[in-house]
Amino acid sequence: DTAVSQTPKYLVTQMGNDKSIKCEQNLGHDTMYWYKQDSKKFLKIMFSYNNKELIINETVPNRFSPKSPDKAHLNLHINSLELGDSAVYFCASSQRGRDEAFFGQGTRLTVV
Amino acid sequence: GESVGLHLPTLSVQEGDNSIINCAYSNSASDYFIWYKQESGKGPQFIIDIRSNMDKRQGQRVTVLLNKTVKHLSLQIAATQPGDSAVYFCAETQNAGNMLTFGGGTRLMVKP
Repeated sequence: DTAVSQTPKYLVTQMGNDKSIKCEQNLGHDTMYWYKQDSKKFLKIMFSYNNKELIINETVPNRFSPKSPDKAHLNLHINSLELGDSAVYFCASSQRGRDEAFFGQGTRLTVV
Repeated sequence: GESVGLHLPTLSVQEGDNSIINCAYSNSASDYFIWYKQESGKGPQFIIDIRSNMDKRQGQRVTVLLNKTVKHLSLQIAATQPGDSAVYFCAETQNAGNMLTFGGGTRLMVKP
């Protein structure tokens, strides 16, 4: 009965590979997000996706792309992985009109 | 707006004492603020929120204070318990969207 779930929890991969992280929410929310948390615990928004509207943080490289097959899912695709992409990635969801966001458990990505 | 910097300050308190965690924000247009708690290996968890038309809000053992004049937010935890040990983040957003901007986080350590 997990509200926001991400898979995998851990991902170790080599530089140059392409990988995806999946996210699903069963809260019926209409907006989903991806956040990146670096080694200093700093959390930064990457994407916000609501129905057909995608808002991108301009600092995110275009190697990162969100894909939403339906309202309950927002997957994160990363192409040509770099060492600096190593971080913990969090998926979150919220309902428009209510600002509180619910977070998943995170995916720790390590690029070697 | 961007909030505090990249360092992770630590607050160490004795079990049973009160804790005060502070946060500065820079975007005067922000009108909604949230405190999140992040335990090791987990995603951020909602604690309490406050809107800009209020200066104080109380929950169970927690109180959030908002000073819009100096753009300062604080979280007070009464009778701090070992289970309160975590990293605490403040987050802000504007009415126009739900994307949260996070502060740098404060690590709370509770000594038994």
